[in-house]
Amino acid sequence: SSELTQDPAVSVALGRTVRITCQGDSLRNYYASWYQQKPGQAPVLVIYGKSIRPSGIPDRFSGSSSGNTASLTITGAQAEDEADYYCNSRDNSGNHLGVFGTGTKVTVL
Amino acid sequence: EVQLVQSGAEVKKPGESLKISCKGSGYSFTSHWIGWVRQMPGKGLEWMGFIYPGDSDTRYSPSFQGQVTISADKSIRTAYLQWSSLKASDTAMYYCARRGEVAGLYYFDYWGQGTLVTVSS
Repeated sequence: SSELTQDPAVSVALGRTVRITCQGDSLRNYYASWYQQKPGQAPVLVIYGKSIRPSGIPDRFSGSSSGNTASLTITGAQAEDEADYYCNSRDNSGNHLGVFGTGTKVTVL
Repeated sequence: EVQLVQSGAEVKKPGESLKISCKGSGYSFTSHWIGWVRQMPGKGLEWMGFIYPGDSDTRYSPSFQGQVTISADKSIRTAYLQWSSLKASDTAMYYCARRGEVAGLYYFDYWGQGTLVTVSS
C-alpha cells in the first residue's frame, strides 16, 4: 500500500505535549519525514530520519517510529506551532516513489 | 545559501499548455533529486514525481503519470513541470522541493515558494 494516514485534527493546550501519528505499510521499512505548513506558506521540514531536526527547528520537535506508525511529538507546544503537519515517506512500490500523509491540523489552545 | 525559486503565477484556459519552472542555486544541482508537489485549494500535499538532473532519471506517481511531464535543464539549473492540455482540475499550488542528501533517507529539505496555477474559462 502507498497510503499514509493521519488524524485530521488535534488540539493541545499551550505548553502541553501533543503527538501526531502517521500510519502506513511503508513505514515498516522507511523512516518518515515531517513538514509544518502555515497558511499561505510553503511547507518546512521539521524532522527526518530517526529524529533529526534541521538547523533552526526547535528541540521541542521530535520523531519516533514503531511498526507501521511514525509519530511527531511537540513537547511544550507554542502558539506558533499551530499549523498543518504532513508526514512523507517512500512507498513500497520499489520504484523509488514517494507519498505524503493526509495531514493533521494542530490547534494550540 | 540553497534556494529554489519558482516562476510566477499563471492563469490559463482549459486546453492550453503550460510549463512552470524551478531554478536551484547554492548547491550542486545535478546531485539532488528535485520533486514536484501539488496542493489543491484547501487540500493536502500530493507527491507528483521527481527528477535527478544529473542523468534526467524521472519517476512519476501513478496518479500523475501521463498527466504531466517533468524535465530539467542542468545547464541553467532549472527543473520544469509541464502540461499539454490543462483542465480546471489542475488548478492548484505547485511546489518544487529538493530531496535531502543523507543516503537512505527520504525527505525534502528545501522548498520553492510555490507557483499558483489557475485554469478557468
